[in-house]
Amino acid sequence: AQTVTQSQPEMSVQEAETVTLSCTYDTSESNYYLFWYKQPPSRQMILVIRQEAYKQQNATENRFSVNFQKAAKSFSLKISDSQLGDTAMYFCAFSNQAGTALIFGKGTTLSVSS
Amino acid sequence: EAGVAQSPRYKIIEKRQSVAFWCNPISGHATLYWYQQILGQGPKLLIQFQNNGVVDDSQLPKDRFSAERLKGVDSTLKIQPAKLEDSAVYLCASSSTREGEGSPLHFGNGTRLTVT
Repeated sequence: AQTVTQSQPEMSVQEAETVTLSCTYDTSESNYYLFWYKQPPSRQMILVIRQEAYKQQNATENRFSVNFQKAAKSFSLKISDSQLGDTAMYFCAFSNQAGTALIFGKGTTLSVSS
Repeated sequence: EAGVAQSPRYKIIEKRQSVAFWCNPISGHATLYWYQQILGQGPKLLIQFQNNGVVDDSQLPKDRFSAERLKGVDSTLKIQPAKLEDSAVYLCASSSTREGEGSPLHFGNGTRLTVT
């Protein structure tokens, strides 16, 4: 069975700084999809970034980028130039190629302060 | 494009009572999911529908939870009777294969259920 592990329950960072959130996963699949979702206090889960396992290039979306290490089964999220609006819970999630439902980690609470 | 709609936003009930949650997915999205998110944890899948058929309900406590998706659009999740441990946020999400394989899930705002 696939599992997703986020080992940092809480992180804090100052505005404009860079922070990296960690995620590891376990699967026997060769192709799959990885996601980072953001959940602010409003509760709505918002897609931050998506990575396809067969693509070597790390995904980037503006200030958000990932470091995808397939052999190590690691998928970390880097947030550059942190903003107060980045304060939220961040979830790493896995989906296999068959398009089954996402499996989520336990999340990392990120606090950005001024 | 309108997002995933859920109601109610909050619900407080006593244990052993029943409750129902409603979800309207994004128009044209064939796949609909119900997740349970207990405070401080990641969402856990309860049930996945493809159109009006069930794809995965392996983690749905079928002695008290039921869900339906009539006509392949709206969905209702019901709990009867509720237990204290059902206190959680219930998230509905939808996805479309038109966004490609491994398409992301689009989530609603969730319903926060408190069982007293």
